Amino acid sequence: AQSVAQPEDQVNVAEGNPLTVKCTYSVSGNPYLFWYVQYPNRGLQFLLKYITGDNLVKGSYGFEAEFNKSQTSFHLKKPSALVSDSALYFCAVIPRGNKLVFGAGTILRVKS
Amino acid sequence: DGGITQSPKYLFRKEGQNVTLSCEQNLNHDAMYWYRQDPGQGLRLIYYSQIVNDFQKGDIAEGYSVSREKKESFPLTVTSAQKNPTAFYLCASSQGLAGAPDTQYFGPGTRLTVL
Repeated sequence: AQSVAQPEDQVNVAEGNPLTVKCTYSVSGNPYLFWYVQYPNRGLQFLLKYITGDNLVKGSYGFEAEFNKSQTSFHLKKPSALVSDSALYFCAVIPRGNKLVFGAGTILRVKS
Repeated sequence: DGGITQSPKYLFRKEGQNVTLSCEQNLNHDAMYWYRQDPGQGLRLIYYSQIVNDFQKGDIAEGYSVSREKKESFPLTVTSAQKNPTAFYLCASSQGLAGAPDTQYFGPGTRLTVL
């Protein structure tokens, strides 16, 4: 089955420290990969996507993600976390020719 | 959230009632989607439409219905056949066909509660 996994329900990090939110995928072929963020009682906001090319993708609000084909991963990173980064983060994948599939989400808590 | 509106923000339904959730977009997107969000389960696709007057079932279509009479509108009806409709419902749109790497843009959501 084509899927995406976010192995951590919650990630806690201190403000100013680097953060990583993990995502792994299981699809046939080369996937399209996305990260979205959701603040409480709001819709999802697009952060970044990987289509092809450079494995390091830069997105909104200082976030970046690294595509690793051998490890089938697409981890979200930020060099210095802000309290305002606290939210629910979703990784998603479009297997080629198919629909968007979401992970279960990871809650990021940044403490001051 | 810009470009996609959903109404109402909160909706309460009595058991046995049908309710309709509104979704409108002014992005001139061809494709539109409805998702259901439950805690700890991510988003699940209910229905999607790639073009006016055409739509397809997603992974959890039972108990739901949609229409796509206009490009900018994709209303979702939650029928009494949906056994557990309490959830957060999100509408999205994208420029191209489903399966292409087009970014989906989301509305602010409607929280439906069954009394």
